[in-house]
Amino acid sequence: GEQVEQLPSILRVQEGSSASINCTYENSASNYFPWYKQEPGENPKLIIDIRSNMERKQTQGLIVLLDKKAKRFSLHITDTQPGDSAMYFCAAHRPNAYKVIFGKGTHLHVLP
Amino acid sequence: EAAVTQSPRNKVAVTGGKVTLSCNQTNNHNNMYWYRQDTGHGLRLIHYSYGAGSTEKGDIPDGYKASRPSQENFSLILELATPSQTSVYFCASGDATDSGNTLYFGEGSRLIVV
Repeated sequence: GEQVEQLPSILRVQEGSSASINCTYENSASNYFPWYKQEPGENPKLIIDIRSNMERKQTQGLIVLLDKKAKRFSLHITDTQPGDSAMYFCAAHRPNAYKVIFGKGTHLHVLP
Repeated sequence: EAAVTQSPRNKVAVTGGKVTLSCNQTNNHNNMYWYRQDTGHGLRLIHYSYGAGSTEKGDIPDGYKASRPSQENFSLILELATPSQTSVYFCASGDATDSGNTLYFGEGSRLIVV
C-alpha cells in the first residue's frame, strides 16, 4: 500500500496554544517524512522533515515525532501564532522512489 | 534556493480547447512532477518524469499528457479541456535518493475551463 492518511482535515486552535497533526503510512519501507506548509495563494514549502533513523526532531517551534512500529508520524506546533494559519501536508517517501505520497492536508486556523 | 517557474499563472480556456502548462526548473533535478490541487483532495499526482525524454503516469493521468524535452522543462498538456479540469496545477522538481526526496514547487497555474 502507498496511502498516507492525515488527520484532522480542519483544525482550529486559540493563539498561543499548541496544534497537532497526525499521519499514518502503509509502506514500512518508507524512510523519509517531510512536512510542507502552504499559505493562502502560495505554493507548498518544506518546513521540517524527519528520517527513519530518528524518533524526534525539533526546529523553531515545530516538533515532529516518528513511531515506526505504529507507522505513524506527527507534527506539533507550539505557541501557535496567526502566521501559522495555513494548509499543512505530510508525506512519506521510500528510498530512491520517484513518487512522494502526500496526505490530503490539514487546514489550520489559529484564532485570535 | 531552488527555482521552479510555471507559465501561465492564470488561464481561462474553453471546453474542447487545448491547454499547455509549462514548467522550468534551474535546480538540475532529475525528477519533475505535475500535481493538481482541489479542495478536499489535497495534492494529486498527474504525471511525473525521472529525466529528459521520460514521462510516467501518476495517480490521475486520464485527460492529460506530459512532455519532458529537456532536464529543465516539463509540460502538461490538456488536448481537449473539460470543466472538470478546472483546478490549480503545481509543478515540482526533486531528486530521489536513498535518504529522501524534497520537492520544490512552482507558484502554481490556475486554470478555469468554461
